[in-house]
Amino acid sequence: NAGVTQTPKFQVLKTGQSMTLQCAQDMNHEYMSWYRQDPGMGLRLIHYSVGAGITDQGEVPNGYNVSRSTTEDFPLRLLSAAPSQTSVYFCASRQGPGADQPQHFGDGTRLSIL
Amino acid sequence: DQQVKQNSPSLSVQEGRISILNCDYTNSMFDYFLWYKKYPAEGPTFLISISSIKDKNEDGRFTVFLNKSAKHLSLHIVPSQPGDSAVYFCAAKVLFGNEKLTFGTGTRLTIIP
Repeated sequence: NAGVTQTPKFQVLKTGQSMTLQCAQDMNHEYMSWYRQDPGMGLRLIHYSVGAGITDQGEVPNGYNVSRSTTEDFPLRLLSAAPSQTSVYFCASRQGPGADQPQHFGDGTRLSIL
Repeated sequence: DQQVKQNSPSLSVQEGRISILNCDYTNSMFDYFLWYKKYPAEGPTFLISISSIKDKNEDGRFTVFLNKSAKHLSLHIVPSQPGDSAVYFCAAKVLFGNEKLTFGTGTRLTIIP
């Protein structure tokens, strides 16, 4: 049971570089989301998707892009990395459309921007 | 503006005793609440949830209480076990709103053997 798999687990980037954080789930979940966790703050929603081809912005979307071409994958792209994007990123999925289905989280990607 | 607040950053409890973790919210539109548990270097794991139509929900050693008038919920763990040592996050959402879950800042629970 892989659940939600995130790669890489750790990454160091220089300011201005771009990269893609990968997220894959094998539970056939319709809904997928990206969160970031910063010290002293709760997890904050970046982008989410309610199905293949459908994405929407969350609370803190600036500087990030997403796409959902398959049910399984939901990559998060940093277009031009900034030190403010240093954070731990969590991908989550849940079985839609029941609104009370809980999120299942991956183990996170720890990203440092120098 | 922190809409979900966990005012105790940390809590230590003796093994076998009751652990009570608290959470307050300010947005009266929230009608569904969840607790997540997080170990270091892992993602949050869903623990228990409660809808605003209830004031209590139990699952084994875990009970969540909701006081809507006070905008307060609490998680009770009885009896506390060493494996319960983790960070606990409270989260809230509008059940038929968008996908956004609003999280608290977490409480680190340490169970003392």
